[in-house]
Amino acid sequence: AQSVTQPDIHITVSEGASLELRCNYSYGATPYLFWYVQSPGQGLQLLLKYFSGDTLVQGIKGFEAEFKRSQSSFNLRKPSVHWSDAAEYFCAVGARSGGGADGLTFGKGTHLIIQP
Amino acid sequence: ETGVTQSPTHLIKTRGQQVTLRCSSQSGHNTVSWYQQALGQGPQFIFQYYREEENGRGNFPPRFSGLQFPNYSSELNVNALELDDSALYLCASSLLPEGKLFFGSGTQLSVL
Repeated sequence: AQSVTQPDIHITVSEGASLELRCNYSYGATPYLFWYVQSPGQGLQLLLKYFSGDTLVQGIKGFEAEFKRSQSSFNLRKPSVHWSDAAEYFCAVGARSGGGADGLTFGKGTHLIIQP
Repeated sequence: ETGVTQSPTHLIKTRGQQVTLRCSSQSGHNTVSWYQQALGQGPQFIFQYYREEENGRGNFPPRFSGLQFPNYSSELNVNALELDDSALYLCASSLLPEGKLFFGSGTQLSVL
C-alpha cells in the first residue's frame, strides 16, 4: 500500500532563512509526487509536482523540491521564507497526474511557523 | 481563486442524521473528487466522479455516496452520521480524471 510520511509536525523558521520540509513515500511503482499548501480557511493549492525527468523541480512562490529515488524522498525547499509562507504543507503521492481514479495519498502535513 | 465553490462552509449535525454537501466545479471540468480531512490529518480520498459516474473510490463505506450533475455541480451525501465523520470535506474539480486538481475551500462538518 502506498503511504507518505512527513516526519516534522511543526517547523519554525525565521523570516529570510532557508526552509526544508521532509517527505518520504512508499509506492510500488513510479509515482507522481506533489506538494500542496493549505492556508487557514482555504483549500489546497498545488506548489509543484514530479513524475520524471530532472529530479529538481521548480514550483510556484519560489519553492523547489528534489526527488531522490534511493532515499524515497521528495523534500521541499525554499532559499528565503516570507511571513506569507506560514501555512500547512502536504506531500502527496499518486498513480496518475492529479490522482486519477485512485486519488492522491497525502501525508499528515507540516505546520510552518515564521518568526519575525 | 480556483473557481471551485463549496456550500455550506460550516455545518453541525447530530449522530445518525444525514447530510448533503455541495460543490460547484470550474466551468468545463467534467471530473470531481471528494476528500475528507480530519483534524490534524492530511486529506483522504473518498471518491471521484467522471461524467456523472463514480470512477474510483477510496476506503470509505457505502453510506458515503455522491452525485454529479451536467451543470458542473456535485453532491456528497453521508448517511447515518458518526462522530468520526466530523472533518473538513474538500471537493476538487479537474478537466479530466488525471488532470490538475483545483480545490474548493471546504465544508467543515461537526457531528455531535
